[in-house]
Amino acid sequence: DAKTTQPPSMDCAEGRAANLPCNHSTISGNEYVYWYRQIHSQGPQYIIHGLKNNETNEMASLIITEDRKSSTLILPHATLRDTAVYYCIVRVRGTASKLTFGTGTRLQVTL
Amino acid sequence: DAGITQSPRHKVTETGTPVTLRCHQTENHRYMYWYRQDPGHGLRLIHYSYGVKDTDKGEVSDGYSVSRSKTEDFLLTLESATSSQTSVYFCAISESRDSPLHFGNGTRLTVT
Repeated sequence: DAKTTQPPSMDCAEGRAANLPCNHSTISGNEYVYWYRQIHSQGPQYIIHGLKNNETNEMASLIITEDRKSSTLILPHATLRDTAVYYCIVRVRGTASKLTFGTGTRLQVTL
Repeated sequence: DAGITQSPRHKVTETGTPVTLRCHQTENHRYMYWYRQDPGHGLRLIHYSYGVKDTDKGEVSDGYSVSRSKTEDFLLTLESATSSQTSVYFCAISESRDSPLHFGNGTRLTVT
């Protein structure tokens, strides 16, 4: 599976957009980009995923570059409850077992 | 949390004793997974199941066994607990191989 690189930490003011980058320069054509987050002491929470097109749901937007080597998760109006560790994961299509978590980005949303 | 219940939520046990953790789902999903989370290692897959009685090993399966006799239940057993198995254990489910995984809230296991 392709490896991902994320900044270890980021800050964001409440009400502003949080843009979390992820580099996955070795991604292959059959690999999805997934985003999860983990709020302290809870289980990871699925946010969004995509293959090559940009995706949006009620939680966030996922922007994938045309060459698919990087992506950005956008939380449009961050709140204090969005403070969490965010994981960018590359997952091979059709392989149930392959969801490898790295160390993620710790997002701190402040007043 | 996607109809996943892990039990117990907390457990303290002694080295050498057997321990079974239970994951129960109400979503009728085919795939179930056990992960462990440790500081500095992130989440690591222990075992997963792709159907009743169908299981496979993950990256850290040594010292663990699993069983799935019903769609809704996935059991993780530590035959003889060791201190290195002190961890937070998460169960996850997915509808298909390509579906997102949804996680339970974890079991915190301490082996003394």
